[in-house]
Amino acid sequence: AQSVTQLGSHVSVSEGALVLLRCNYSSSVPPYLFWYVQYPNQGLQLLLKYTSAATLVKGINGFEAEFKKSETSFHLTKPSAHMSDAAEYFCAVSEQVDMRFGAGTRLTVKP
Amino acid sequence: NAGVTQTPKFQVLKTGQSMTLQCAQDMNHEYMSWYRQDPGMGLRLIHYSVGAGITDQGEVPNGYNVSRSTTEDFPLRLLSAAPSQTSVYFCASRKAAGNEQFFGPGTRLTVL
Repeated sequence: AQSVTQLGSHVSVSEGALVLLRCNYSSSVPPYLFWYVQYPNQGLQLLLKYTSAATLVKGINGFEAEFKKSETSFHLTKPSAHMSDAAEYFCAVSEQVDMRFGAGTRLTVKP
Repeated sequence: NAGVTQTPKFQVLKTGQSMTLQCAQDMNHEYMSWYRQDPGMGLRLIHYSVGAGITDQGEVPNGYNVSRSTTEDFPLRLLSAAPSQTSVYFCASRKAAGNEQFFGPGTRLTVL
């Protein structure tokens, strides 16, 4: 069965620092992987997705993620954090018909 | 396109009451899903559908029913509300497996 584990429910960085949000997945078949962002009191918005075309995926707002099959990981990074990046981030995996989400990581950006 | 719409935005129920959360999409997507979001637990899949007339259970289906009579609509029914069903509910749709999901704005439900 497919599942996602996000390491760290809260991550705090200073403005301008590297953002690293960790995601590990479990899947019995080559998966589709996604990162979504949720701003306060809003729905979820797609940041990026992996669909096997390339292992390094670039998304919106300067985020990118690298698919590492050997580590079953799909970590999200951004070289320089902005205050506007403060939000909750969800990693998701989809094998076939449904999509499962991790518990989420809340990112705080300090001035 | 309106995308994915949900009604109502807020709802307060008493224990034992029933209600239906509405979800509609105008993107002609075959796949639709219902999730609940609770603090520290992310989004958990309640039910999903891969087309009109076809539904299946997700991770936390107990206490909820769904049906899919049209491609556009995917209502979620609470037959007898319980305080444990207090949550934010999101409906989502996508064109096919492997595609991104589009989410509605959510329904915040409180059961007293």
